[in-house]
Amino acid sequence: DAKTTQPPSMDCAEGRAANLPCNHSTISGNEYVYWYRQIHSQGPQYIIHGLKNNETNEMASLIITEDRKSSTLILPHATLRDTAVYYCIVRYNSGSARQLTFGSGTQLTVLP
Amino acid sequence: DGGITQSPKYLFRKEGQNVTLSCEQNLNHDAMYWYRQDPGQGLRLIYYSQIVNDFQKGDIAEGYSVSREKKESFPLTVTSAQKNPTAFYLCARKPGHNTGELFFGEGSRLTVL
Repeated sequence: DAKTTQPPSMDCAEGRAANLPCNHSTISGNEYVYWYRQIHSQGPQYIIHGLKNNETNEMASLIITEDRKSSTLILPHATLRDTAVYYCIVRYNSGSARQLTFGSGTQLTVLP
Repeated sequence: DGGITQSPKYLFRKEGQNVTLSCEQNLNHDAMYWYRQDPGQGLRLIYYSQIVNDFQKGDIAEGYSVSREKKESFPLTVTSAQKNPTAFYLCARKPGHNTGELFFGEGSRLTVL
């Protein structure tokens, strides 16, 4: 599976957009980009995923570059409750979750 | 709760004791997973099960055991053979074979005294 690289930490002002980058330069054609987040001492929460096109749901938007070597998760109006570790994961959709490897992620701190 | 319940939330045990963590799901999903998380680290896969009466070792299965006698239940036993059992344990379910979405429980924090 492709490896991902994320900055270890980021800050964002409350009410502003939080843009979290992820590099996955070795991604293959059939691998999806998934984003999860983990609030302290809780289980991870699925946010969004995509293959090629940009995706949006009620939580966030996912922008994937045309060459698919990087992506950005956008939280449009960050709140204090969005403070969490955000994980970018690349994997195939079929098969077991054995390939779902959670790295260290990005600690996002939303500041009042 | 994401359709998956873990218990207990906090657990203390003495060295040399086995302990079993419960994981129950009510959405009739086939696939269930156990992960371990250490402070400041990502998640590491312990065991997973894609169907009743079948399970597979993950990356760090040594010192752990599981069973899958019922679709809704996937308990994890941390045995005395696990050399460093103090950790945060997370159980997850996966809705389908062709999806990568995992839905996690709230976790069980095990401390060995």
